[in-house]
Amino acid sequence: RKEVEQDPGPFNVPEGATVAFNCTYSNSASQSFFWYRQDCRKEPKLLMSVYSSGNEDGRFTAQLNRASQYISLLIRDSKLSDSATYLCVVNFNDMRFGAGTRLTVKP
Amino acid sequence: EAQVTQNPRYLITVTGKKLTVTCSQNMNHEYMSWYRQDPGLGLRQIYYSMNVEVTDKGDVPEGYKVSRKEKRNFPLILESPSPNQTSLYFCASSPREESNTEAFFGQGTRLTVV
Repeated sequence: RKEVEQDPGPFNVPEGATVAFNCTYSNSASQSFFWYRQDCRKEPKLLMSVYSSGNEDGRFTAQLNRASQYISLLIRDSKLSDSATYLCVVNFNDMRFGAGTRLTVKP
Repeated sequence: EAQVTQNPRYLITVTGKKLTVTCSQNMNHEYMSWYRQDPGLGLRQIYYSMNVEVTDKGDVPEGYKVSRKEKRNFPLILESPSPNQTSLYFCASSPREESNTEAFFGQGTRLTVV
């Protein structure tokens, strides 16, 4: 079993749609959690950290469920500029990346 | 400007010809690491370093070497590159003392071994 598993995607959604990604992790002692965004052929960049109580940043909401060992990312009112690959990242001593979920937002 | 700089950005080389990809960060971060990214496999860690002169293998270290003689630099060395090392490589750095902090990535090096 992979340490970090994500929805395989790809997700193709119209502008304005709400889309959710899930990610599961295997190490119950994992300490911190993140979502990164990666545009085509570019470096990953931090989108948001994920806190136990859940957190929101504008149209983006991240949640953590330690008991079930999964994290989620919700994007509301999708924009064309949200098209990218979203990487789930779990940190226990070092960072473990999911394979990524590709999102394409269409007009 | 805080950044991680990799060079070169693109490289085409032949099998067996030694090469080095440089990585430098200006944020005084203790932790640095190298990843390769292949379609469908995501980012896989090659080597990491927790501080100067401290390096350790990641998940896919075969065929690679690293060194950490200075805090800011963490070069990746391919002594005898092979076609299966054709990939997109990223260097990253982060402060080690805090686990809930952002990792900063270089812009990537696209390597093709023919």
